[in-house]
Amino acid sequence: QVQLVQSGAEVKKPGSSVKVSCQASGGTLNTYAITWVRQAPGQGLEWIGGIIPIFDTENYGQRFQGRVSITADDSTNTAYMELSSLRSEDTAVYYCARGRVVIPAKYYFEYWGQGTLVTVSS
Amino acid sequence: EIVLTQSPGTLSLSPGERATLSCRASQSISRSYLAWYQQKPGQAPSLLIYGASSRATGIPDRFSGRGSGTDFTLTISRLEPEDFAVYYCQQYGSSPFTFGPGTKVDI
Repeated sequence: QVQLVQSGAEVKKPGSSVKVSCQASGGTLNTYAITWVRQAPGQGLEWIGGIIPIFDTENYGQRFQGRVSITADDSTNTAYMELSSLRSEDTAVYYCARGRVVIPAKYYFEYWGQGTLVTVSS
Repeated sequence: EIVLTQSPGTLSLSPGERATLSCRASQSISRSYLAWYQQKPGQAPSLLIYGASSRATGIPDRFSGRGSGTDFTLTISRLEPEDFAVYYCQQYGSSPFTFGPGTKVDI
């Protein structure tokens, strides 16, 4: 059974960066898509972006372009999402998901991590 | 960007009843690249349906999806107590991938 375990809650100052990790067990990451979604308090789901390492492709939501980086480390089966220039509106639970690739750049979110709360506050 | 609209916002039903949830897209979704997710309070979302109508592994057959183009439906044939949750549709046919605002199914 695939499990994705994310790093713990973070509190950050406005203008700083946060890096959240997502380690897979019971399965690999490098032959799948790795994607991140966030959920602000009491709100719906918002897609941040994703990568497909074996196809060397990546795509991001427009509001995150230039501010987010998603990477993967095959040696530790761990994915990372780094978000910079944080502002209070970035306060949310951040989820990683492993995506089942249908064709390059198209994938659905098959397995999810437990979520990481990132709080941005001065 | 493809905008997804879900209706109703809230569906109040009882166990054993049938639930019909709608998801409408602002433009046609290629090859039915539409998924449905269930989210219970305090939990991560979980995949129910992909490709508009294919059930994910382990999903009971009371959940069914259908539709194509711009109109999609998730049906829960007989609600079980554990089905009361928020349901999101999501398209993955065109970047940026987008989610609908969700339908809450409650008692």
